[in-house]
Amino acid sequence: EVQLVQSGAEVKKPGESLKISCKGSGYSFTSYWIGWVRQMPGKGLEWMGIIYPGDSDTRYSPSFQGQVTISADKSISTAYLQWSSLKASDTAMYYCVRRFKTVAGTTLDYWGQGTLVTVSS
Amino acid sequence: QTVVTQEPSLTVSPGGTVTLTCASSTGAVTSGYYPNWFQQKPGQAPRALIYSTSNKHSWTPARFSGSLLGGKAALTLSGVQPEDEAEYYCLLYYGGAHWVFGGGTKLTVL
Repeated sequence: EVQLVQSGAEVKKPGESLKISCKGSGYSFTSYWIGWVRQMPGKGLEWMGIIYPGDSDTRYSPSFQGQVTISADKSISTAYLQWSSLKASDTAMYYCVRRFKTVAGTTLDYWGQGTLVTVSS
Repeated sequence: QTVVTQEPSLTVSPGGTVTLTCASSTGAVTSGYYPNWFQQKPGQAPRALIYSTSNKHSWTPARFSGSLLGGKAALTLSGVQPEDEAEYYCLLYYGGAHWVFGGGTKLTVL
């Protein structure tokens, strides 16, 4: 069974750093891209970026370039999303998602359960 | 900045049919945008329903279908059930790593 299990909720202060994780299981972790999606409170979904754990090829949405860092450790089948200096506006639910490409096209088929990040002084 | 537009809200009666649409600020949506549709219920992660315009996942109920309609991507629910009440998001691909979600449609079953 394919699963993406994310790390638990975080409460941080502005200016602090943070790294959240997403562990894949039930499939070949290095063969599928893993993306990150932000959902601010009461708002819609926003595409942040994506990484290919096989070679760490990483691409960012223009809106998030320079704001976050996406990485992966293929030895433990885990992808990461990190901030060097959090802002209150980073308060949101963050989802990791697997990108699946077929002859019919491309999709985001499996989602993590989400990690709630709260940034408050 | 690329904007993907969906109806903010729609209401449908149980057993009825409703179509949600997804438009791109860059022009007509084609199959090359690989339209995806997702369902999200309160307190839950999104769930994939449709990919590449009209392809269903193994878990997608038969009453959900995707298409292109008048230059937009469309999601049609036929024989709506109470459990279909949710937020629905489309996602379009613009090349490279550039994916953009629509703002979502809140579907009420009443």
